[in-house]
Amino acid sequence: SQQGEEDPQALSIQEGENATMNCSYKTSINNLQWYRQNSGRGLVHLILIRSNEREKHSGRLRVTLDTSKKSSSLLITASRAADTASYFCATDPETGFQKLVFGTGTRLLVSP
Amino acid sequence: EAGVAQSPRYKIIEKRQSVAFWCNPISGHATLYWYQQILGQGPKLLIQFQNNGVVDDSQLPKDRFSAERLKGVDSTLKIQPAKLEDSAVYLCASSLEGGRTDTQYFGPGTRLTVL
Repeated sequence: SQQGEEDPQALSIQEGENATMNCSYKTSINNLQWYRQNSGRGLVHLILIRSNEREKHSGRLRVTLDTSKKSSSLLITASRAADTASYFCATDPETGFQKLVFGTGTRLLVSP
Repeated sequence: EAGVAQSPRYKIIEKRQSVAFWCNPISGHATLYWYQQILGQGPKLLIQFQNNGVVDDSQLPKDRFSAERLKGVDSTLKIQPAKLEDSAVYLCASSLEGGRTDTQYFGPGTRLTVL
């Protein structure tokens, strides 16, 4: 079953605008990761945030994590057409072996 | 470095037929994963290998799916017999050691259509 649920399901913006997508999950986690998937490059890891971290940056990406609300957000600043893709959050549940449980994804369309 | 290789890229079969997918992980990666991604959903883990041993196969439908990783390198995922609901993209991924913060690197996937 899917652990996470992304919101919105789809997002359409213009180049240069910021895009924010949210992820909610159900169980306690070790870490949360964001992945991007497009037809050209497949599924690619973007960023990992540990359960004891609240915010992390990587280039134009900013991720926040609120473990009390079991939610995370991914902000892409100054979006480009090349950012068009589906974005998935993936959680590593606290118990057992490392195991990524993916959410349902947000489809982002960035228009020139 | 070379990425995760998968073949075939596309496969169309009729229900009740058998099919096999092949994966070659990144050289030196001990952990190998097979995921099933149904259209419109996120990937779902089917099985995880650490070297040539199974770590987690709790979501593998064992009545029809099987997987092996001989010699701890390449892996094969088989479906026998296939059902209509098996239509999906099958993704293979690998990571260095399967550690909690290891990055998983994904292959291009095999798109299976069951008619």
